[in-house]
Amino acid sequence: LAKTTQPISMDSYEGQEVNITCSHNNIATNDYITWYQQFPSQGPRFIIQGYKTKVTNEVASLFIPADRKSSTLSLPRVSLSDTAVYYCLVVSSGSARQLTFGSGTQLTVLP
Amino acid sequence: ETGVTQSPTHLIKTRGQQVTLRCSSQSGHNTVSWYQQALGQGPQFIFQYYREEENGRGNFPPRFSGLQFPNYSSELNVNALELDDSALYLCASSGGLFNNSPLHFGNGTRLTVT
Repeated sequence: LAKTTQPISMDSYEGQEVNITCSHNNIATNDYITWYQQFPSQGPRFIIQGYKTKVTNEVASLFIPADRKSSTLSLPRVSLSDTAVYYCLVVSSGSARQLTFGSGTQLTVLP
Repeated sequence: ETGVTQSPTHLIKTRGQQVTLRCSSQSGHNTVSWYQQALGQGPQFIFQYYREEENGRGNFPPRFSGLQFPNYSSELNVNALELDDSALYLCASSGGLFNNSPLHFGNGTRLTVT
């Protein structure tokens, strides 16, 4: 299972774009990258997933360079309600759908 | 579409007791996994069930056991509770082993062992 490294915490202001970068140097060929968001006393919530290049959905974008050793979650125009812990995970497409969570990044959005 | 539901939401037990936590998977999902999340840490994988069989296990002792039922709901049983078992226990479901659909988590059961 590929280990991920991401900043422990980040602060931002409302309306700004936030980029959280995650490194995963030993990602395997068939692995894909997934980001989850977690609020206190709630389960993690899926944000976005990708394999390479760029993926965009209604809440975020995910940028993955060609070597796939890192990825960047981009949150456009954050609001106070985006304050949460964000987890970057590398997931195998194999049968054991075990997710390995690190400590995540605590994002605090300030007014 | 009904999401993942867990019961109870909170539970207090005494060291040495046994506990059973329950999870109803999202409609159409046949795979359930369980995670333990200690305060301030990321969730840690306990085990996964697919079609009523255990399919993958994390670094947890045998006193952590589980079941999956024909309707794909699941139970997590913990015997001989220890103080360190105090945590948020999360259940997640997905539509199968080999698809890349994301896991859908419930909001967990907060277990306190005194």
